[in-house]
Amino acid sequence: DGGITQSPKYLFRKEGQNVTLSCEQNLNHDAMYWYRQDPGQGLRLIYYSQIVNDFQKGDIAEGYSVSREKKESFPLTVTSAQKNPTAFYLCASSIDDRAYEQYFGPGTRLTVT
Amino acid sequence: AQKITQTQPGMFVQEKEAVTLDCTYDTSDQSYGLFWYKQPSSGEMIFLIYQGSYDEQNATEGRYSLNFQKARKSANLVISASQLGDSAMYFCAMREAYNDMRFGAGTRLTVKP
Repeated sequence: DGGITQSPKYLFRKEGQNVTLSCEQNLNHDAMYWYRQDPGQGLRLIYYSQIVNDFQKGDIAEGYSVSREKKESFPLTVTSAQKNPTAFYLCASSIDDRAYEQYFGPGTRLTVT
Repeated sequence: AQKITQTQPGMFVQEKEAVTLDCTYDTSDQSYGLFWYKQPSSGEMIFLIYQGSYDEQNATEGRYSLNFQKARKSANLVISASQLGDSAMYFCAMREAYNDMRFGAGTRLTVKP
């Protein structure tokens, strides 16, 4: 079955710690995306990657970092510099950056206390 | 500037009836795509329907149809014969060519038995 996996579903961290969220896809998609969703709001783009070893900042990249060493994987690190890290994080992919449709993973709910 | 506007924070519909979820968008591009996603309480984003700006026919996918009025810049989602499982958040999104996907704030639909 092709799809996008994100693990874990729920993640708890203490303030001041960096945490890395996993995103893996086996759809052979070139483009991958990270979004943040806060309660009662739509999605906001954090980072996206069009190809391996390349990525671009989205609207709210401050306090986050990413890497794209493999086509299948696009991990997101939430650093201690992120002021309000508690949120729901969604990873998505598309065939390429020109494709309109994006496919989403199940999401990771991060709680920082 | 807000690109996607969903004016209904919450909607109620009786089971088996039809419901329309509103979406208006703002763009000066000629080429763009419009999407609707469903987000159940589990959190994953489920793609429902897509409409291209050059498509002359309204998109339909099973019980979902998109009422596309280009001159009014509206892309309302119509769900026919509502089911209890349709209760969820619904997001309208737009992607202009080579740009990021933008999401509305969402509408929470509740289907009453």
